[in-house]
Amino acid sequence: GAVVSQHPSRVICKSGTSVKIECRSLDFQATTMFWYRQFPKKSLMLMATSNEGSKATYEQGVEKDKFLINHASLTLSTLTVTSAHPEDSSFYICSARYGPYGYTFGSGTRLTVV
Amino acid sequence: GNSVTQMEGPVTLSEEAFLTINCTYTATGYPSLFWYVQYPGEGLQLLLKATKADDKGSNKGFEATYRKETTSFHLEKGSVQVSDSAVYFCALSDRDSGGSNYKLTFGKGTLLTVNP
Repeated sequence: GAVVSQHPSRVICKSGTSVKIECRSLDFQATTMFWYRQFPKKSLMLMATSNEGSKATYEQGVEKDKFLINHASLTLSTLTVTSAHPEDSSFYICSARYGPYGYTFGSGTRLTVV
Repeated sequence: GNSVTQMEGPVTLSEEAFLTINCTYTATGYPSLFWYVQYPGEGLQLLLKATKADDKGSNKGFEATYRKETTSFHLEKGSVQVSDSAVYFCALSDRDSGGSNYKLTFGKGTLLTVNP
């Protein structure tokens, strides 16, 4: 149980275009979801926390106008990278909280901006 | 604020060797502690967790004990296998600085390579 599905797993886009990444909870309702960015050989950087039906809370230094997060339902959160540039290339991972102590993670999205 | 410090490695071991990855934490409240594992190109998988002091989490031969007195949660395995090669993250869950949301704070990860 507590499975999160993240799509796409890989995406290549041209500089200046926007890319949407989806994160779905398959067998539970996720009131809180998290979006992380992972750089090569580095830990995960929390970008933002999204609560269903309300605006996301962004971590310091994360551009909210560039990384748009929508959590419109209890099973879906999306991250849109707007006007992507090569420096946005990274591995993005979503996570959802379930129960009092549980966090489950998506399989990640490798974004390459060319 | 909350923080997690773990040995960064990389750690290279021979098959059947004993593994220890140290993890210490700083938290303002009473956190839950976790070890996650990440295989190449994949997301994170929960390896084990402990929710209160003196709890021992265990899974797939890995163990870690929540030590409040030393604020530690060291990961151990008695005999590693080649298939254990991955990145291991120590993490804690506690309320954020605003006090309204629980979130995970991660260590920097430890790359483990096990050679046959």
